[in-house]
Amino acid sequence: AQSVTQLDSQVPVFEEAPVELRCNYSSSVSVYLFWYVQYPNQGLQLLLKYLSGSTLVKGINGFEAEFNKSQTSFHLRKPSVHISDTAEYFCAVSDSEKLTFGTGTRLTIIP
Amino acid sequence: DGGITQSPKYLFRKEGQNVTLSCEQNLNHDAMYWYRQDPGQGLRLIYYSQIVNDFQKGDIAEGYSVSREKKESFPLTVTSAQKNPTAFYLCASSIGKGTLRTEAFFGQGTRLTVV
Repeated sequence: AQSVTQLDSQVPVFEEAPVELRCNYSSSVSVYLFWYVQYPNQGLQLLLKYLSGSTLVKGINGFEAEFNKSQTSFHLRKPSVHISDTAEYFCAVSDSEKLTFGTGTRLTIIP
Repeated sequence: DGGITQSPKYLFRKEGQNVTLSCEQNLNHDAMYWYRQDPGQGLRLIYYSQIVNDFQKGDIAEGYSVSREKKESFPLTVTSAQKNPTAFYLCASSIGKGTLRTEAFFGQGTRLTVV
């Protein structure tokens, strides 16, 4: 069985400040990890993914994430946020059969 | 443009009625999925299908049914047995079994409200 834990349900951040959204996973097999973003009343859009190779993964909109196998984490970071980053962010793990999502983190940017 | 189309965007249902949500994709993907989204609970898997004429229950299949008669279509029926159907429903697709390490593509969702 696989699972994902997003430790923060809401994260408020001042504009142009850095942000880290935390994600921990558990899985009994090799994992593939994803971060998705959801804007209000829309579907999910892929931000980035880790399949293998370099543990630092770069995605769209200036986001990046680091895969840490020993800590079973896949935290999402951005060095400087913008108002347009206001959204809900979901971490997900795949075992090649199906995707399992975390409960999401709502990122609010304070002007 | 390739993508996933869900319809309708908003749907209202009276208690005791069945209702069907449409999901169509033109990405030539083998796998399709239905998720339910409720505030604070993330996305929960209802049903998924890896191939035409075959599908599996997800974590919360009770009160739902699906069919997969065509590769491009995966409709979801919310039956009267579903006790709390008001939610946001998301359909997704991916290349196929064994390749889910590639990303899933999502539709824009259907918001179902029971009145």
